[in-house]
Amino acid sequence: QVQLVESGGGVVQPGWSLRLSCAASGFTFSSYPMHWVRQAPGKGLEWVAVISFDGGNKYYGHSVKGRFTISRDSSKNTLYLQMNSLRAEDTAVYYCAGGRPAMFTYLDYWGQGTLVTVSS
Amino acid sequence: EIVMTQSPAPLSVSPGERATLSCRASQSVSSNLAWYQQKPGQAPRLLIYGASTRATGIPARFSGSGSGTEFTLTISSLQSEDFAVYYCQQYNNWGTFGQGTKVEIK
Repeated sequence: QVQLVESGGGVVQPGWSLRLSCAASGFTFSSYPMHWVRQAPGKGLEWVAVISFDGGNKYYGHSVKGRFTISRDSSKNTLYLQMNSLRAEDTAVYYCAGGRPAMFTYLDYWGQGTLVTVSS
Repeated sequence: EIVMTQSPAPLSVSPGERATLSCRASQSVSSNLAWYQQKPGQAPRLLIYGASTRATGIPARFSGSGSGTEFTLTISSLQSEDFAVYYCQQYNNWGTFGQGTKVEIK
């Protein structure tokens, strides 16, 4: 069955960097766009970024554009999110998600999430 | 950016009763609207896509309707496992979520 397992979360200070990973299995990872979605504590869902199946196209939410970079390594079936210049408002559970062939679409499959805390 | 607004917040319902959740888009999203259920400590779960199509394995008591800017999720007879937060998401133009509606026990 489809599995998405995020890792790399932790506690960092404002201005620091962090890289999240999402290991995918149970489907043809290289055929599908993949997404990052986040959820601040006690808050709703916010779409962060999406990358095309071949990595050639990337789109970002307004609040992270210029600071975050999404990438993928299909040889490792892994999705990444490089987060730079982190701010307190980036504190959230970060989910990777995907499963559909379109870039902007609903999300069939979700990981369990990894918590990022930005605090001094 | 398309803004999605959900109501009511929260929704108090007794088990066995019908629950009706609303989602409004700031501009037309056609039928490119999904609904998700999220329980505490869990990832969201896809319920409905295309405004009215149930995802695989979703019970028939969940139904979606609407198009354009007004959408509804109906749970025909609430079961104990249905008490959760529900989010709508438009994917017609990028992807934005509503703020969520918590369905709580009355």
